[in-house]
Amino acid sequence: GENVEQHPSTLSVQEGDSAVIKCTYSDSASNYFPWYKQELGKGPQLIIDIRSNVGEKKDQRIAVTLNKTAKHFSLHITETQPEDSAVYFCAAYDRGSTLGRLYFGRGTQLTVWP
Amino acid sequence: GAGVSQTPSNKVTEKGKYVELRCDPISGHTALYWYRQSLGQGPEFLIYFQGTGAADDSGLPNDRFFAVRPEGSVSTLKIQRTERGDSAVYLCASSFSRSNEQFFGPGTRLTVL
Repeated sequence: GENVEQHPSTLSVQEGDSAVIKCTYSDSASNYFPWYKQELGKGPQLIIDIRSNVGEKKDQRIAVTLNKTAKHFSLHITETQPEDSAVYFCAAYDRGSTLGRLYFGRGTQLTVWP
Repeated sequence: GAGVSQTPSNKVTEKGKYVELRCDPISGHTALYWYRQSLGQGPEFLIYFQGTGAADDSGLPNDRFFAVRPEGSVSTLKIQRTERGDSAVYLCASSFSRSNEQFFGPGTRLTVL
């Protein structure tokens, strides 16, 4: 099965700085890579995703990059704000599979200090 | 519209007891998923329903765990003879179809004493 590794496990930045979270995956069949933000006491919320036919996607202050050859993808948050503080999860998925599971990383606790 | 809802939000039970956790998916979503999240970990897949049938139950840890979705909407996760190791947050997600974005509910925090 797929194995997703995520680093770092914790990340502290000053408000306004950038934050980068990196993930690697093992199964070359994976072709969909969502990122979720989870606030305390809530379920994960999708913030951005990328499919394997593109190398980069951006949505305002959030961007994701994908390197299929190296099997790694990254989340970039620019101009961080205190409300960005949360746990972020990367995940990998094979959209062509008949199975439904997302494979998640272990999460990154991001803290943005004002 | 309404998102995925789960009840109860918290459940405390004693070792050996039976529990049921309920999930109401987003209306019109045919795919439904259960995940389990332990403290400090990412969600781990348990089971996936397409309509009324379990299309993939390979994530269920043992035969104490069972889930149903009799009418293709609401789903219930059932745990028999609960153990302390079952303590976790149980998350439900739904999607319009298998290949679409999964929307998560707030989870049920299960504590087995």
